[in-house]
Amino acid sequence: KAGVTQTPRYLIKTRGQQVTLSCSPISGHRSVSWYQQTPGQGLQFLFEYFSETQRNKGNFPGRFSGRQFSNSRSEMNVSTLELGDSALYLCASSEAQGFDEQFFGPGTRLTVL
Amino acid sequence: KQEVTQIPAALSVPEGENLVLNCSFTDSAIYNLQWFRQDPGKGLTSLLLIQSSQREQTSGRLNASLDKSSGRSTLYIAASQPGDSATYLCAGGRIYNQGGKLIFGQGTELSVKP
Repeated sequence: KAGVTQTPRYLIKTRGQQVTLSCSPISGHRSVSWYQQTPGQGLQFLFEYFSETQRNKGNFPGRFSGRQFSNSRSEMNVSTLELGDSALYLCASSEAQGFDEQFFGPGTRLTVL
Repeated sequence: KQEVTQIPAALSVPEGENLVLNCSFTDSAIYNLQWFRQDPGKGLTSLLLIQSSQREQTSGRLNASLDKSSGRSTLYIAASQPGDSATYLCAGGRIYNQGGKLIFGQGTELSVKP
């Protein structure tokens, strides 16, 4: 089976712009979670989707949003980018639950200038 | 406050040494414990998952244990190799609302010298 894929791998944006990141889970996996990784805060949970429904959301502002499609692919969107949004954004998939064994993608490195 | 702590933050050992990485958690509602490896600039690779009903899991030279009563997990790496150099992260799986999430420690950066 192919692993979790994320596109694009690298992005450079300027403050105030918006960005959309994409994640394709492992075939058959229905739960997709998103995490933000920064040197200062480490890995922090953003949200979890299952069957096109957001089940959980972490402590992030409303500028961070996401969605999941019927084929389990997921996108996350960040609007009005700030310098502090620069991070590695990681997507993980699991069979059913956000606390099941998680398989991570390679991440999208977002740099906000 | 949910918290996962990893000690030490960094570790340097000579090749061939056996080593132990430590992970502690304060949340008794942790459902399972997963260990990951992360190479610089890369995503996370799942190493071992220990369910709350289990005490340990083994994969090759890796052995992970879980003691929920004391809130501790350890990752034992036998006969370390330079290729083991990476950051090792532990994460507690927690049931949350109708789904769940992982709560990560800050990681242990391991360097194995030839």
